Amino acid sequence: DAGVIQSPRHEVTEMGQEVTLRCKPISGHNSLFWYRQTMMRGLELLIYFNNNVPIDDSGMPEDRFSAKMPNASFSTLKIQPSEPRDSAVYFCASSFEGRGQPQHFGDGTRLSIL
Amino acid sequence: GDSVTQMEGPVTLSEEAFLTINCTYTATGYPSLFWYVQYPGEGLQLLLKATKADDKGSNKGFEATYRKETTSFHLEKGSVQVSDSAVYFCALITNSGYSTLTFGKGTMLLVSP
Repeated sequence: DAGVIQSPRHEVTEMGQEVTLRCKPISGHNSLFWYRQTMMRGLELLIYFNNNVPIDDSGMPEDRFSAKMPNASFSTLKIQPSEPRDSAVYFCASSFEGRGQPQHFGDGTRLSIL
Repeated sequence: GDSVTQMEGPVTLSEEAFLTINCTYTATGYPSLFWYVQYPGEGLQLLLKATKADDKGSNKGFEATYRKETTSFHLEKGSVQVSDSAVYFCALITNSGYSTLTFGKGTMLLVSP
């Protein structure tokens, strides 16, 4: 079975540019999560969707970050305008909602803002 | 709030040594507990899980037992291999409300031949 698919795997762009990260969750999963991982801050939950509805976006750093989930099989995380401090690995994960259900992670997008 | 505390790394071992990575937690309610592993350049992979007290999760020679009395979920392996070198994350989900994971900071394991 296909796992969580993220694209692109790597993105290098200049400060001020718009960046769009994409995620396709595992088919049938109804929860989707975006995380950011850096050496300094570790893993941070940015936003959580359940049945395509944002439930908790308290981890989104600032208004430059936005996330959408237009349907059950696709989500985007957008940064506009990007800044060097946004450089990190961004992970998408999905799960079934329910007791003891684990999250399944994609391979991440390594983002470098110059 | 909920929290997970892991031993700091790196943990450096020789091949075939015994591994323990400590994990303790604080949570409201009755959480489910997980260990994830992250190999270099990859995403997090579920290693094992336990959903109730005294449950033992196991996978690929790794084990962890859900100890409610000590609020712990220590990861063990009897004989590590070089290929086990990775970062290991302990995590929990509380079973009240929605399923957001609370992660520990991760423990790097380095195994030498």
